Amino acid sequence: AQSVTQPDIHITVSEGASLELRCNYSYGATPYLFWYVQSPGQGLQLLLKYFSGDTLVQGIKGFEAEFKRSQSSFNLRKPSVHWSDAAEYFCAVGSYGGSQGNLIFGKGTKLSVKP
Amino acid sequence: DVKVTQSSRYLVKRTGEKVFLECVQDMDHENMFWYRQDPGLGLRLIYFSYDVKMKEKGDIPEGYSVSREKKERFSLILESASTNQTSMYLCASSHSRGRVANYGYTFGSGTRLTVV
Repeated sequence: AQSVTQPDIHITVSEGASLELRCNYSYGATPYLFWYVQSPGQGLQLLLKYFSGDTLVQGIKGFEAEFKRSQSSFNLRKPSVHWSDAAEYFCAVGSYGGSQGNLIFGKGTKLSVKP
Repeated sequence: DVKVTQSSRYLVKRTGEKVFLECVQDMDHENMFWYRQDPGLGLRLIYFSYDVKMKEKGDIPEGYSVSREKKERFSLILESASTNQTSMYLCASSHSRGRVANYGYTFGSGTRLTVV
């Protein structure tokens, strides 16, 4: 079955520290992948996407993610976290072979930032 | 700026009421989706639509229905609201098939529904 796993429900990091949020997927076909961010009380905003080419992709707000096919992972990273990065982060995967291209979302990782 | 607009940010309704949540997109997207979001449960797909007058059940359609009379508008209907439908409701839209890879989904700001 197709699935997306975000192993960490909640992560707390200090402001200025580096961040890595994990995402693993199980998908039979060639995937395309997204990370979204949700600030409290808001909808989801697209951070970055991968669908082909360079496996290291850059996004908005200084985030990047690396697609590793051998590990079925698409981890999100940021070298130095800012207090405004506190939010919930969702990984999503779709497939070119899937019907209509529907995305499957992980359950999210909530990020807290300590001053 | 492209948008998905949900008509209400906050709603309070009484048990048994019929509730309409409206979603409008201005991107000429083929696909539209309704999710509910609850703490610890992530996004759960209620219904989606690939075209006008078409609808497909998602993972949790019970107690809900939808309407898509025009391409840009996708309405979620709670036939008889219950307290367990208190939640954040998110609408999203996308292009179809391979173009989803290029653009992903665009989400509205959400409607926080409280049923009392």
